[in-house]
Amino acid sequence: DAKTTQPPSMDCAEGRAANLPCNHSTISGNEYVYWYRQIHSQGPQYIIHGLKNNETNEMASLIITEDRKSSTLILPHATLRDTAVYYCIVRVYQGAQKLVFGQGTRLTINP
Amino acid sequence: GAVVSQHPSWVICKSGTSVKIECRSLDFQATTMFWYRQFPKQSLMLMATSNEGSKATYEQGVEKDKFLINHASLTLSTLTVTSAHPEDSSFYICSVAQGEEKLFFGSGTQLSVL
Repeated sequence: DAKTTQPPSMDCAEGRAANLPCNHSTISGNEYVYWYRQIHSQGPQYIIHGLKNNETNEMASLIITEDRKSSTLILPHATLRDTAVYYCIVRVYQGAQKLVFGQGTRLTINP
Repeated sequence: GAVVSQHPSWVICKSGTSVKIECRSLDFQATTMFWYRQFPKQSLMLMATSNEGSKATYEQGVEKDKFLINHASLTLSTLTVTSAHPEDSSFYICSVAQGEEKLFFGSGTQLSVL
């Protein structure tokens, strides 16, 4: 699976939009971009995934650049409960493929 | 509700004993489950892929005789840490593949070996 690069940490004010960047310049054409988050001492939680089109669900929006070499996860109205480590992962959408985690971004939402 | 149930949430054991961790898929049959380990302030590291009805596939550097994996049914995989030592103390997490699309994770098991 392609490697991803994320900033180690970010801060965001409560109520504002949190924009988390991810670089995946070596992504292959059949690899999807997945986002998970991990709140302290819990298992990772699925957020969203996409191939090339922008995606939105009840948790977040995923913006993927046209060349697919980078993406941004957007939490539109961050709350204190969104404080977590966010992982951007690229993964082949074929079979029960494993997820390989990088170091992620530690997002802190400040009151 | 939870898709994956992992038990126990935490366990303390003496050095040299064995500990079994269970991972159950609640909502669907899972032919493949994954086991991860996470040390404090580090990312998740994949240990092995558990395949129903066959031997698990271990990642490089993971001792298969120390971390025994049994996936005897489509809803249950177990990880047994044999002859545990303090360096095995870690947060162990299982995940279940729902088809090709998503992986769901258990809540994790904090193992402390004294």
